[in-house]
Amino acid sequence: ILNVEQSPQSLHVQEGDSTNFTCSFPSSNFYALHWYRWETAKSPEALFVMTLNGDEKKKGRISATLNTKEGYSYLYIKGSQPEDSATYLCALLITGGGNKLTFGTGTQLKVEL
Amino acid sequence: KAGVTQTPRYLIKTRGQQVTLSCSPISGHRSVSWYQQTPGQGLQFLFEYFSETQRNKGNFPGRFSGRQFSNSRSEMNVSTLELGDSALYLCASSRDGALSTDTQYFGPGTRLTVL
Repeated sequence: ILNVEQSPQSLHVQEGDSTNFTCSFPSSNFYALHWYRWETAKSPEALFVMTLNGDEKKKGRISATLNTKEGYSYLYIKGSQPEDSATYLCALLITGGGNKLTFGTGTQLKVEL
Repeated sequence: KAGVTQTPRYLIKTRGQQVTLSCSPISGHRSVSWYQQTPGQGLQFLFEYFSETQRNKGNFPGRFSGRQFSNSRSEMNVSTLELGDSALYLCASSRDGALSTDTQYFGPGTRLTVL
């Protein structure tokens, strides 16, 4: 069973704060890492797909980095807004013996006014 | 373009019954994947269908099955329901597949309650 860990489990920040959270995963057989945002009562929304060590992706105020050698990815949100409140999920895709997709348990972000 | 749709949105069944859930992907997408979300286990991959064939499968018992039609619409069936099958079931569609670097688009989910 693959262990994809996300920390912290939950986070409360003030509007305007910048924040970041971590997705940790076993680095063997790495193929890709997906990040999703899941707002309450909505569907998960794809943010990034990361494949190469050292990858950096950016979408507006949200960015992500990837380190496949040490097995972690960071998601950063600059100047948090209330609409950023959501659960942020990472999902690890590995190869070898058939592709396998494993989700982390998510980081729940609450941005307060 | 229209997003991924799932029907029904809510369902209540009793133990031992079976249930069929439906997912219509985005037009042009050939891959449909199914996921189960529970408070205890989080989001877990069930299986993926691509061009009417099951291409990948997660670690779920044989009671969970699915199929895909020629128009890419997919159904998921759970037989002999157990209380632990109560969950939110999500489907997602993509061009190349769930287990790839392709972007997946999720539907709103079906909330299944087993009594």
